[in-house]
Amino acid sequence: AQKVTQAQTEISVVEKEDVTLDCVYETRDTTYYLFWYKQPPSGELVFLIRRNSFDEQNEISGRYSWNFQKSTSSFNFTITASQVVDSAVYFCALSEANQAGTALIFGKGTTLSVSS
Amino acid sequence: DTGVSQDPRHKITKRGQNVTFRCDPISEHNRLYWYRQTLGQGPEFLTYFQNEAQLEKSRLLSDRFSAERPKGSFSTLEIQRTEQGDSAMYLCASSLVLTEDEQFFGPGTRLTVL
Repeated sequence: AQKVTQAQTEISVVEKEDVTLDCVYETRDTTYYLFWYKQPPSGELVFLIRRNSFDEQNEISGRYSWNFQKSTSSFNFTITASQVVDSAVYFCALSEANQAGTALIFGKGTTLSVSS
Repeated sequence: DTGVSQDPRHKITKRGQNVTFRCDPISEHNRLYWYRQTLGQGPEFLTYFQNEAQLEKSRLLSDRFSAERPKGSFSTLEIQRTEQGDSAMYLCASSLVLTEDEQFFGPGTRLTVL
């Protein structure tokens, strides 16, 4: 069965600290996609990144970086030099390519609080 | 604004009443999804359309729920005989088939059933 686990329910950091959000997934498919979404207090989910299962290259986008490791079924997200505006709930999600509709399966989310 | 829009943003109703929500996807997006999010949880998939065809429904979608996308553009989600357990945020997302399901979400409709 497909499953996404975000073991960290809440994380609190002080501005400028680096923080890593963990994501572990389960799937039987060999072709799948992994996503991270941000949900700020306003409530609207904001797409951050999509990664397919054949691309294990790490990615960096500004202060954000993602580490995908198939060997440990993990897709972790690191924010460098965190800022107050990074405070939000972050969701990791999985979709499987051979499923009709490729509905996203979300984890329960990690609430990140960044204080000044 | 060319993003996904949803209406209404908030709905308060009494148990037993019917409610209907509307979602307008990003123009030309042929896939449209409905999700439900309860407090402290991630969104859970309800149903999905490709153009006007409803191709998949979750077990979460009881027979009190019905969704339509009559012309392959906007979609409606109706809940009949609402129950307190239906209180949640209902999210709509859209995507293009060719973009490997990069789904763009709307702001959601928050339903409160009293």
